[in-house]
Formats: sequence, C-alpha cells, structure tokens
Amino acid sequence: QVQMVQSGSEMKKPGASVKVSCKASGYNFIRFGINWVRQAPGQGPEWMGWISPYNHNTNYAPNLRDRFTMTTDTSTTTAYMELRSLTPDDTAVYYCARDYDTTGYWYDPWGQGTLVTVSS
Amino acid sequence: EVVLTQSPVSLSLSPGERATLSCRASQSVSTYLAWYQQKPGRAPRLLIYDASNRATGVPARFSAGGSRTDFTLTITNLQPEDFGFYYCQQHSRWPISNTFGQGTRLEIK
Repeated sequence: QVQMVQSGSEMKKPGASVKVSCKASGYNFIRFGINWVRQAPGQGPEWMGWISPYNHNTNYAPNLRDRFTMTTDTSTTTAYMELRSLTPDDTAVYYCARDYDTTGYWYDPWGQGTLVTVSS
Repeated sequence: EVVLTQSPVSLSLSPGERATLSCRASQSVSTYLAWYQQKPGRAPRLLIYDASNRATGVPARFSAGGSRTDFTLTITNLQPEDFGFYYCQQHSRWPISNTFGQGTRLEIK
C-alpha cells in the first residue's frame, strides 16, 4: 500500500535550519506531487508548498518562499524539506502528503508527522 | 488569501445521531473544497474532495455538499470512531493558495 514515512523529531535553536525527509513507497513516485503541511500546536494545518518529483517544479506559500526549500530524490523515492532561520513560531508538526490524484488539489496519504521544536 | 471559517467550534453528540459541520469561504472557491478527519496524535485523512466526492474507502455515512462560499459535511448514524477534528481545505489556482479552516472538534458521548 502507499506509505509516506518521515524522519524523526528535531529540536533546534532559533536561527538554525532543519531538514525533514519523507520516504514514499507503494506507487510510481514520479506520478504524483508531494506537499508539505505544518500544524502548530492547537491550530489548523498550514500548507507550505508542493513539488513535482517528475520535473521538480515547485509552488511555495508566499509567506515561506524566502526560507523554505523542497527537493526530491527519485533514486530513493524520498522528498525533503528544509526550513531556515527558524523562530519559535516555527514549532509545529511537519507533514508530507502525497497528491490524492493528478489534479494536485487534495492530499492523501500523509506521513506520520515530524515534530520540530524551536527553543533557546 | 481565502479564509475558511468553520462552525461550530465544538460538537458533542451520541452514537446514532447526525452531525452537521459547516465551512464558509471568504470568497467563492467554486467546488474546490475538501474535508479531512484528524484524530489526536495522527495525521489528517482525506474524507471528501471536490466538495461532494467521497475519497477511497470512506464510509457512505459521510456526505458533503455546497458550492461557492457555503459548504456542509454531514455524518449520519454517528459511530464511536468518528470522534476527532474535522478540517475543510480550499484550493485556488491563481494566485496559488491552499488554506485550511480552524477545525470543528467532534466528541461522541
């Protein structure tokens, strides 16, 4: 079955960077885009961006564009996100989520989430 | 940016009852709206897409409708496993925007 398995929790200091991985399996990796979504404690989810493993095209949420990068490695069917210049407001659970279908509008399945805590 | 407002914030119902959840968009999103279920400590799960289409494997007791700015998710014959948070999400193509509502918490008594 389709699975998205993410790397483990991270603790970072303000100003640092974090990189999270998302290993996909059970489907043709290049056929569906991958989204990154984060959820701060007690809040609704926030879409961060989308990447196509096929041609590496990306769409970034405007508020994160300057410090957020998504990449994919088709040889290992793994997606990565890197967020730089971290502040405590970036404390959240970060999820990767595959496009549900080829429209790219909806997300499923999701990874299990990676907790990123930013604190001095 | 499109803002989604969900109501009620919280809902407490008994098994077998019907739940009606609302999502209102600040501007028309046509039928580019989805609903997700999230249980504590778990990732969201897609329930409904394109405003009214059930995702693969979603039970028929989940139904949804609406268009433009007003949308509804209905859960009939509530089951104990239906507890959790429910979020709506919209997609806009230009400028690209994918926003979620703040959620409705559903408790099964």
